[in-house]
Parts: sequence; C-alpha cells; structure tokens
Amino acid sequence: SQQGEEDPQALSIQEGENATMNCSYKTSINNLQWYRQNSGRGLVHLILIRSNEREKHSGRLRVTLDTSKKSSSLLITASRAADTASYFCATNSNYQLIWGAGTKLIIKP
Amino acid sequence: SQTIHQWPATLVQPVGSPLSLECTVEGTSNPNLYWYRQAAGRGLQLLFYSVGIGQISSEVPQNLSASRPQDRQFILSSKKLLLSDSGFYLCAWSRDRWETQYFGPGTRLLVL
Repeated sequence: SQQGEEDPQALSIQEGENATMNCSYKTSINNLQWYRQNSGRGLVHLILIRSNEREKHSGRLRVTLDTSKKSSSLLITASRAADTASYFCATNSNYQLIWGAGTKLIIKP
Repeated sequence: SQTIHQWPATLVQPVGSPLSLECTVEGTSNPNLYWYRQAAGRGLQLLFYSVGIGQISSEVPQNLSASRPQDRQFILSSKKLLLSDSGFYLCAWSRDRWETQYFGPGTRLLVL
C-alpha cells in the first residue's frame, strides 16, 4: 500500500453524527496534512499536524497523530450536509508530499 | 490576501494537439509552485514543482513539461497530447516547500 493511505474509502452517515477517517503511512514524517475536496473543485487545506504534535483542533475538526503506529485520524463532529466531500491526507517525508487516495464522505440529511 | 488562478476550467483537445495551462498566484512573492494531476476518484500525483523562476523539478517522466517564466506564473505544457493525458489538473502554491498548500480551482482536460 502507498504512503498516506486513507481508511475507509467511503463513509456515509446521518447529519449530526460524528465522522472519523484514518490515514496510515509507512516512513517517518515531518508533518501530516488533511485536505478536503468538494466534487470537481480544488483542495482546501484543513489541518497540518507536525511529527512532535499529538492532537490539533480547528472548529469541529480534531486531528490526532500517533507516530508509533504511523497513523492519523480526522474526526468531524456534528456533521453537516456541507461536509460531504472527499478527504485526503498527505504526508511530508524526505522532502516530498505524498497523497493518499482519499475517503469519500457522504452526509445524509 | 493570496489568491490562485487557473485557466481554463475545462478543455477538450484532440490527440496530438498542443497544451498550455496557466496558473498565477497573487498576493505573495517567491511561492513554491506545484502541478498535480488527479485521475477520477483518486489521489494526487505530483507532476512538477518549482522553488523559483526557471527552476523546475519533474517528478514523473511523461509527455508534459512545465515552465516558470515569472515569479508567480506556472505553466504546464505539452507539444502533443495523448489520450492518457486526460484528467483533472491542479496548481498549488505554498510558502514553505511541502508545507500547507493552497490549490487553484483546477482544469478538467479531456483528450479525444
């Protein structure tokens, strides 16, 4: 599997529920970044977490990083219809940024 | 504030025709610039990045080339398009290399 692999590939939940997406990687990293992409649009940066950080928050978003397990999770609380999008993690390692294939999140009204 | 522009938004080109996609950034100087391609339902593949005028690094050998004639202008080109060049092309910039990236709206290219 490639660096920065998201899990699950697709997630469908009811509006108001929490959504959790995971990202696993293989090599040591400098930082890990989460992005959102609405269908047919460019990507929007959500959160950057550095290798010496364990948790970061931004509004309804919470990102954790476990460097011992080489994994990160993105939690979206109290989901809204507008959160429907694809979510990508990207790992900064050895002076390159490697992208996963993304998790497609659908929020049902 | 900074903005990034890409055009055109959509392009349909015949096989063998040339290509030129342009990306410009406003509101910052000496940005790191990137060209990505995204296949349908997939992640991003880095094509080129640039740390300064005239400095281009190619990540994937292919039918495409890139140029940076001005500090905030990044151009993706091809002399002869292939069917496999179809995809969604994204330009991005960052202040520091491989740090937070800011993306343009993308160009959807269909080669027929």
